[in-house]
Amino acid sequence: GESVGLHLPTLSVQEGDNSIINCAYSNSASDYFIWYKQESGKGPQFIIDIRSNMDKRQGQRVTVLLNKTVKHLSLQIAATQPGDSAVYFCADLNGVAGNQFYFGTGTSLTVIP
Amino acid sequence: EAQVTQNPRYLITVTGKKLTVTCSQNMNHEYMSWYRQDPGLGLRQIYYSMNVEVTDKGDVPEGYKVSRKEKRNFPLILESPSPNQTSLYFCASLGGYNSPLHFGNGTRLTVT
Repeated sequence: GESVGLHLPTLSVQEGDNSIINCAYSNSASDYFIWYKQESGKGPQFIIDIRSNMDKRQGQRVTVLLNKTVKHLSLQIAATQPGDSAVYFCADLNGVAGNQFYFGTGTSLTVIP
Repeated sequence: EAQVTQNPRYLITVTGKKLTVTCSQNMNHEYMSWYRQDPGLGLRQIYYSMNVEVTDKGDVPEGYKVSRKEKRNFPLILESPSPNQTSLYFCASLGGYNSPLHFGNGTRLTVT
């Protein structure tokens, strides 16, 4: 079956540094990818997405990179702030097979003031 | 405000006592889905619905039922809850092809 995994379960960074969170996916047919942020006691919140015809997409302080060759996805957060502390996970979708998303297990990001 | 609303947020029950977790969305989305989230595991899909009166099993449907009588509501039913259904549950809706899922704030269920 399909799996989506994150490389590190926890990550600690100093406030103001850049953070990089990684994700690997197994389904080469996946054509849409999303990063979510989940704060304690809340539901997952959409951060940024990218389609398979792109290899980079930027948002406000966040960048997603997609490497289809090695089936790897990363989320870069610039100038990390305490409010960025949360669990981050990726999701992928094989749109041809229907609207079923597969989710990674998450990386817990802690920002040290 | 566009949102997915689940109720209740917290629920403690005993084995075998039927319960329903409600989910409602105000975005006129056709697709809705239920997930459970357990430590060390990614979100796993329980059931989903592509439209009114259309529901399908996800990856972990055993012990659950759903219904989709109207577009905005998608309740999750546990006819006879068991302790292994203790989990954090999320309802989500989807606006269209290659668009992100919108999640509710979750229901933490404990079955003793």
